[in-house]
Amino acid sequence: IQMAQSPSSLSASVGDRVTITCRASQDIKKYINWYQQKPGKAPKLLIYDASNLYTGIPSRFIGSGSGTDFTLTISSLQPEDLATYYCQHYENLLFFTFGPGTNVALK
Amino acid sequence: EVQLVQSGAEVKKPGEPLKISCRGSGYSFSSYWIAWVRQMPGKGLEWMGIINPGDSDRRYSPSFQGRVTISADKSISTAYLQWSSLNASDSAMYFCARPVAGTFTYWGQGTLVTVSS
Repeated sequence: IQMAQSPSSLSASVGDRVTITCRASQDIKKYINWYQQKPGKAPKLLIYDASNLYTGIPSRFIGSGSGTDFTLTISSLQPEDLATYYCQHYENLLFFTFGPGTNVALK
Repeated sequence: EVQLVQSGAEVKKPGEPLKISCRGSGYSFSSYWIAWVRQMPGKGLEWMGIINPGDSDRRYSPSFQGRVTISADKSISTAYLQWSSLNASDSAMYFCARPVAGTFTYWGQGTLVTVSS
């Protein structure tokens, strides 16, 4: 299963609504997670199983979708949200595929 | 507190072997799979493989099968990623991570591997 992510990069202003899309090459139900990665750091889990907010993650991060099309929305971009975002699919709990990533920068 | 602590940065020459480690603490190490993820400079995340420290059952991504070996020693709560012969294209940051229900909840801090003559 291939994961396509778009856009590959975007620039936005503080307070903007930002949307990142991940498309699977076949139906993956809700087996998708979203991560944030800042330079030189390990990725950080934001959303699991398409729409569940992980513990301690601000509510401005919203995940949605099922089947083949998924979205990560940042409802009001904050300066600390500048990072690269990855979707990740899992299959049978033991095989994993990451999307290519979306770099979010300040306009 | 769950922690995954990885070994330090390595600088190696092409053709040399290497083994890097990931030590788990704060949980029952044998009870959770450990995965390895590669990130080449300026690039995205790539899942390499996964091991069950309890019985050493393992799976590899087709992209990495035969190129690396994943192992674990449950007696010292440590997982390993090793190469028999490095090449320049192995230069990358390598992360270990602990998945739960398909989700990488916990990550190591990363080990930077540089291969250069």
